Amino acid sequence: KAGVTQTPRYLIKTRGQQVTLSCSPISGHRSVSWYQQTPGQGLQFLFEYFSETQRNKGNFPGRFSGRQFSNSRSEMNVSTLELGDSALYLCASSLGTGGRWNTEAFFGQGTRLTVV
Amino acid sequence: GQNIDQPTEMTATEGAIVQINCTYQTSGFNGLFWYQQHAGEAPTFLSYNVLDGLEEKGRFSSFLSRSKGYSYLLLKELQMKDSASYLCAVKGDYKLSFGAGTTVTVRA
Repeated sequence: KAGVTQTPRYLIKTRGQQVTLSCSPISGHRSVSWYQQTPGQGLQFLFEYFSETQRNKGNFPGRFSGRQFSNSRSEMNVSTLELGDSALYLCASSLGTGGRWNTEAFFGQGTRLTVV
Repeated sequence: GQNIDQPTEMTATEGAIVQINCTYQTSGFNGLFWYQQHAGEAPTFLSYNVLDGLEEKGRFSSFLSRSKGYSYLLLKELQMKDSASYLCAVKGDYKLSFGAGTTVTVRA
């Protein structure tokens, strides 16, 4: 089956701009989580969506937002970009239900965002 | 909050065994995961522990002690392709919190 698809793979933006990243989960998966990965901080949790509802949110400023559509596809948006937002943004897809739902968590290839 | 610690780097020889330790302090615990991430690639799932004890999967094994807040990943019969970053992650409420990762370098 098709894996998790993230678009675009690479992006260069200027400080102050905004950006929207997309994640299409594996078919049948209803949970999408977003992470920011930087060399200094490792993988940091941004938020998790299930059936169009945000169930948990990490410690990021309000400039980071997300949403999920009825087909489980998710987008995250970063407004007023800062140089420190340069990172690899990963999404992970899972069934989202059941006691062991995370055993089915699969990551996409990520979007490499560079802010200049 | 979550605090997850693992060594930054480890080096071992091809064919040897390496053990990567992970200690954690969390406000909630619903399982511990290990992921492998090669440079420039997405993390891939290796193992999941929610009960104390050892889970074995081929050359990889993972151990958990909930009372000690401790886990390890054991890599046996190391191969060059095992050179990667290994991430320890704890599941809380609908999220995974990751350690900074351990870079394992396998030398011939």
